Amino acid sequence: GENVEQHPSTLSVQEGDSAVIKCTYSDSASNYFPWYKQELGKRPQLIIDIRSNVGEKKDQRIAVTLNKTAKHFSLHITETQPEDSAVYFCAASPLISNFGNEKLTFGTGTRLTIIP
Amino acid sequence: EPEVTQTPSHQVTQMGQEVILRCVPISNHLYFYWYRQILGQKVEFLVSFYNNEISEKSEIFDDQFSVERPDGSNFTLKIRSTKLEDSAMYFCASSARADGYNYNEQFFGPGTRLTVL
Repeated sequence: GENVEQHPSTLSVQEGDSAVIKCTYSDSASNYFPWYKQELGKRPQLIIDIRSNVGEKKDQRIAVTLNKTAKHFSLHITETQPEDSAVYFCAASPLISNFGNEKLTFGTGTRLTIIP
Repeated sequence: EPEVTQTPSHQVTQMGQEVILRCVPISNHLYFYWYRQILGQKVEFLVSFYNNEISEKSEIFDDQFSVERPDGSNFTLKIRSTKLEDSAMYFCASSARADGYNYNEQFFGPGTRLTVL
């Protein structure tokens, strides 16, 4: 089955600087890669996702890049703010068809701390 | 904005007891999931459910676990005889049917923290 590795496990960044979190996956059938943000004691919430036919996607201060050949994808947060502090999880899913809906395999999480 | 809801928020039970965790998915969603997260660890898939049957289940989802959609709105996870290692946060999630390029985000509920003593 799919295995998703995530690095680093913790990351401290000065406010205003950029943060990068990296994930690798093992199953070449995976083609949907969401990123979830989880604040302490709360539900995971989707912040951005990418499909395998796209190499990069950006939404304001957040961007995700995907290298399908190397089987890795990364989350980039620019101009970090204190409210970005949270645990971030990458995930992978083999969205096989437009009518299928496969499970998410999550990475181990990155605890991001923004230092004011 | 519609949200997935879960009850109870916290459940404390004795080892060997049965528990039922309840979820109300977003109303027009067709796919339902249970995940769990042991404290400080990653989110792990348990089971997916579509068209009134299990689509896929993980190794964690053994004979002690079952899921049910008893009516048009609820989706439940039952653990027949709880073990200490079942202590975790259990998240329900739901998603709509994928439609062309609008693939299917999974929306998570707030979770039920299960403590087995």
